[in-house]
Amino acid sequence: DGGITQSPKYLFRKEGQNVTLSCEQNLNHDAMYWYRQDPGQGLRLIYYSQIVNDFQKGDIAEGYSVSREKKESFPLTVTSAQKNPTAFYLCASSIGAKSVETQYFGPGTRLLVL
Amino acid sequence: GQQLNQSPQSMFIQEGEDVSMNCTSSSIFNTWLWYKQDPGEGPVLLIALYKAGELTSNGRLTAQFGITRKDSFLNISASIPSDVGIYFCAGHNQAGTALIFGKGTTLSVSS
Repeated sequence: DGGITQSPKYLFRKEGQNVTLSCEQNLNHDAMYWYRQDPGQGLRLIYYSQIVNDFQKGDIAEGYSVSREKKESFPLTVTSAQKNPTAFYLCASSIGAKSVETQYFGPGTRLLVL
Repeated sequence: GQQLNQSPQSMFIQEGEDVSMNCTSSSIFNTWLWYKQDPGEGPVLLIALYKAGELTSNGRLTAQFGITRKDSFLNISASIPSDVGIYFCAGHNQAGTALIFGKGTTLSVSS
């Protein structure tokens, strides 16, 4: 069964703590993306990666970090520098990063601050 | 970053009614995509459009890529309760590779 998996479904963060959200895909896609979704808002791009060992900042990268050591995996770390981390985080992937590629989404991780 | 203008923001309809929503942009787009998101889930792709003027159907859903390349609409015919959710338009413009999203249309269907 091909697809994108995100874990955990819910994640709780304490003040000053870094947390890492997992995203794995077995679609053999080169490009992967992280989006943040707030209520009543569209999706905003945090980071994206077009190929292994390479990634670029999106519109709202401050307070976040990523790595792309494997094609299948693109973990997102929400650092303590992100002052308003409560949101729904969505990972996506596409075959490539050209402007005509369709993106497919994972089920999301909801991050809550204690 | 740029955002798309998606309207209406929300719709409350009766089961069996037809629905229409649209997105507009100030710049030319190369692709238009329509996604549906159920509560607490990731968006699911409904229809992808790649050419100006293209009209594509997926069951009761029909979407069109505007000939000016600056707009798209999605129609849902004979709505049913499971159509409830948030519908997002998205697209690529000529500036870069990142998808640009509308803010969504929340659809409620009463039976």
